[in-house]
Amino acid sequence: GQQLNQSPQSMFIQEGEDVSMNCTSSSIFNTWLWYKQDPGEGPVLLIALYKAGELTSNGRLTAQFGITRKDSFLNISASIPSDVGIYFCAGSGAGSYQLTFGKGTKLSVIP
Amino acid sequence: GAVVSQHPSWVICKSGTSVKIECRSLDFQATTMFWYRQFPKQSLMLMATSNEGSKATYEQGVEKDKFLINHASLTLSTLTVTSAHPEDSSFYICSARSSGSPTGELFFGEGSRLTVL
Repeated sequence: GQQLNQSPQSMFIQEGEDVSMNCTSSSIFNTWLWYKQDPGEGPVLLIALYKAGELTSNGRLTAQFGITRKDSFLNISASIPSDVGIYFCAGSGAGSYQLTFGKGTKLSVIP
Repeated sequence: GAVVSQHPSWVICKSGTSVKIECRSLDFQATTMFWYRQFPKQSLMLMATSNEGSKATYEQGVEKDKFLINHASLTLSTLTVTSAHPEDSSFYICSARSSGSPTGELFFGEGSRLTVL
């Protein structure tokens, strides 16, 4: 089946720094989604990508759908303490609404 | 974004009892809902796909008779953990796809934490 490799697994950064995380898949995806999950909560959709090469921003967050359709990255600029959480990438293939999730990137921001 | 609500947000039950978790789409109709299970510090694991008016499709290794799913309306899906045991303790999360949303865009509920004593 489809597999997603998400990296890094965890990050400790200073407040104000920029952050980058990425996901690669073993197969082509038609949709890439990035979610953030706070402890004890469900994932919240941050950015949705539907076209290869697409670059989309949501405030300080920017995500891109890789040209090969097998990867995506998420950047967070000027991090703040409330950015702390676990970020998951997720993708779905052609004709499927089922999502395959990455293992998550745990972000810690040091004030 | 669309709102998906789960209830209860947490539940503690005795071993052998059954627990029902509800997942509602509050401001849209959801033809398809998904149920996930998440263990501590791990990613979400898809358990089953719930389609309104038809039987759920379970992922390999998920017991149909243990995790009963009902999707009786376009805004409600329920997951019933039958004869719960301590190993069923987990964080259960539902997600829903709006019939009017782009392919693959899913919105998640807040999650339900089940603890079986």
